[in-house]
Amino acid sequence: KNEVEQSPQNLTAQEGEFITINCSYSVGISALHWLQQHPGGGIVSLFMLSSGKKKHGRLIATINIQEKHSSLHITASHPRDSAVYICAVREYGGATNKLIFGTGTLLAVQP
Amino acid sequence: DSGVTQTPKHLITATGQRVTLRCSPRSGDLSVYWYQQSLDQGLQFLIQYYNGEERAKGNILERFSAQQFPDLHSELNLSSLELGDSALYFCASSPPGQLAGELFFGEGSRLTVL
Repeated sequence: KNEVEQSPQNLTAQEGEFITINCSYSVGISALHWLQQHPGGGIVSLFMLSSGKKKHGRLIATINIQEKHSSLHITASHPRDSAVYICAVREYGGATNKLIFGTGTLLAVQP
Repeated sequence: DSGVTQTPKHLITATGQRVTLRCSPRSGDLSVYWYQQSLDQGLQFLIQYYNGEERAKGNILERFSAQQFPDLHSELNLSSLELGDSALYFCASSPPGQLAGELFFGEGSRLTVL
């Protein structure tokens, strides 16, 4: 069993829909990252969370440390949101950014 | 543009060969991280350097080595290459202090071993 599990693995949505991607982890963590990777390559860090909730534009990330669960929400989705979204955790006591990665969620937003 | 520069962007080589991947972190960032992304293993942490010193090691093979130079750029050396080393190799940097957890990724170096 992977230490970081994401669901769903694949997600297709219509433009304008509200999207939720989930991440569950089995280790104690000090931080959790949400990353975005567009086809063909580069990775962008969207959020780093250790508690609560963060919002940036149409993106919202929440984390529940007790339940070992995080969600990434996209409001009013747009085709440019199509990408792979990756959850990654830093184990408690671990070196900064020695991350354990989920396998990613492939999101396709259709116009 | 994250400010992290990786070269080369693409590299094709043969089994048994040796390659060097280069990373220049954002100005002011002291930490450099290397990650490997392959089709079968996904993303994995390889190694971290902080201000020239190795800080953490992950799933890095003995055939691989890295270093960070006084000007803070880093190089990842991959030797005795095998087909399974074909992957995207990402470098990332993070600032010192309170923002140390923030990560800025380069565009990656795509290595193909034939």
